[in-house]
Amino acid sequence: SQQGEEDPQALSIQEGENATMNCSYKTSINNLQWYRQNSGRGLVHLILIRSNEREKHSGRLRVTLDTSKKSSSLLITASRAADTASYFCATFPDTGRRALTFGSGTRLQVQP
Amino acid sequence: ETGVTQTPRHLVMGMTNKKSLKCEQHLGHNAMYWYKQSAKKPLELMFVYSLEERVENNSVPSRFSPECPNSSHLFLHLHTLQPEDSALYLCASSGWGDEKLFFGSGTQLSVL
Repeated sequence: SQQGEEDPQALSIQEGENATMNCSYKTSINNLQWYRQNSGRGLVHLILIRSNEREKHSGRLRVTLDTSKKSSSLLITASRAADTASYFCATFPDTGRRALTFGSGTRLQVQP
Repeated sequence: ETGVTQTPRHLVMGMTNKKSLKCEQHLGHNAMYWYKQSAKKPLELMFVYSLEERVENNSVPSRFSPECPNSSHLFLHLHTLQPEDSALYLCASSGWGDEKLFFGSGTQLSVL
């Protein structure tokens, strides 16, 4: 079954604006990760947040995690046209299968 | 470059053909993965190899046969595929105790 579900499915913004993507998941996790995928290419790891962390920053990226609501958000500040891509959350469980489970992704379009 | 190389980048095959996808990683990782990405669906984990031993087979049809001859190489042998098997096949690797994945660029497979 699908673990992570991103919201919205698609997002279109202007350059310079902030982009916020949300992820909900169902089971208990060890960590949650965000990946980026340019069209037809592989995924690139952006940031990892552990279950005992609430917020993490990396450059223009800010990730929050609320384990009580089983949700996470990815904020990209001051977006650029080069940020256009699909963004996926992925969860790593704290028990059972030790492999990432991905959501369906959010397609972000940043207009120049 | 992520350090994970997949070949070929594109593959078109008939339903009676036999072909193989190749993945090579130069990161010193000891776990390798095959994921399938179909249009508008989440990434599906197919196989996981850890220290050259298959540790996960996620109910994948037998027409997909993985092979991991050493920790740097991973193959996916394909035979008598169906049109619904058309997808982007992604290889990934990770280091010991590191839940972060490094992906290749994928093989875009079309089954006619």
